[in-house]
Order: sequence, then structure tokens, then C-alpha cells
Amino acid sequence: KAGVTQTPRYLIKTRGQQVTLSCSPISGHRSVSWYQQTPGQGLQFLFEYFSETQRNKGNFPGRFSGRQFSNSRSEMNVSTLELGDSALYLCASSPDANTEAFFGQGTRLTVV
Amino acid sequence: GQSLEQPSEVTAVEGAIVQINCTYQTSGFYGLSWYQQHDGGAPTFLSYNALDGLEETGRFSSFLSRSDSYGYLLLQELQMKDSASYFCAVNQAGTALIFGKGTTLSVSS
Repeated sequence: KAGVTQTPRYLIKTRGQQVTLSCSPISGHRSVSWYQQTPGQGLQFLFEYFSETQRNKGNFPGRFSGRQFSNSRSEMNVSTLELGDSALYLCASSPDANTEAFFGQGTRLTVV
Repeated sequence: GQSLEQPSEVTAVEGAIVQINCTYQTSGFYGLSWYQQHDGGAPTFLSYNALDGLEETGRFSSFLSRSDSYGYLLLQELQMKDSASYFCAVNQAGTALIFGKGTTLSVSS
């Protein structure tokens, strides 16, 4: 069974640009969550999607958005990038209730 | 709001026992999870407690007291490979995992 796949693995963008990150969950998993990880801040919850609906959202500005497709694949978008958006963005999938989440290797975003 | 508190660092020697505590404040509490993350790696699931009590999985055990909003992860017979960051996470309303800032465990020989 393939794991959670995130693309790209590494990304360098300039301030003001926008970026789209992709996540393919484990087959059969309908819940996809996104997290931002920075040193000292742990994993901060961005949002969760289930069957194409956003069910929960963390405390991030509106520049951060996401969506989920009918095949459960998910994308997150960050517009008007700031230096502080540099982080590891992790995607996790689970069958439903997030009792056990499976994480991808993440996308390392650097904003210069 | 919601918050989780866990120690930032813990050190121990091989063969020892270590307990990492986690206290939380959150709405819509479903359960408490623990994840391990090695440097450069993805977080991996260790355990989940929905009810009060102790859950044992090999060398690792996890405990939850819902009335005290408190849990802990117990690691026994520590090995060098257990050096990693450990995160507690609250399952909020079944739709989100809210993580603590993590505890860095260093195991020395």
C-alpha cells in the first residue's frame, strides 16, 4: 500500500509569489489534513478536508487555502508569500476520525 | 482556545525509563495521540487514548486522564534509536489533530 505522497519535496519562491502544494493520500483515506512545521513551533494545524469539504480550519490568515478533489487528493495554496511562510508543510491522511494519521515526507518551502 | 503543554527536552541513558507528560486545554476533545519524529523524517503514529487508562504497545505505553486533562507517554528500555521528537496531539472533534510543540528526547550510551 503506497504511503502519503507530497509534491514537490523542495521549493524556493520569492516574496509576493504564490505556491501550490499537492498531497495524494493513502488509497481509501478520505480525510486529509495540512500542517505547518517550523523550528520551536511544532506542527500547527492548517485545515482538514473530508470528502471535498473543509471540516476544520486552524488559525492562519486567508492567504492559506486548500481544496480536496473527488479522488481525495488535496492541494494547498499560499498566496502573497512572506518570509515567515518558510517551513515544512506536512500532509496527513486518515480513514476518517483522525485516530491515526499517516504523514507524508513534507514539502520544504523556502521564501527568499 | 486550545493549548497543549509538554516539556521541551528530556535526556536519558540507554536502558532507562522516561515519561513525557502532556497537559491540554481544548474543546471537542475526542482523544490524545502520540507521534514520534526523527530528524528529517515524517511524524509517525505511536498511540491513541480515547478513554482513561493505560495503553501498552511494546516498549511504549500511553496514559490518559480526561478529568485531569493530562496524559503521558512512557518509554521503557530506552535505545539510541529512540532519540527523536515526541508530540502529543489532541483529536479535536474527530476532524483535527492539534499538536503540542514537541519534546526532544536525547538518549545517550
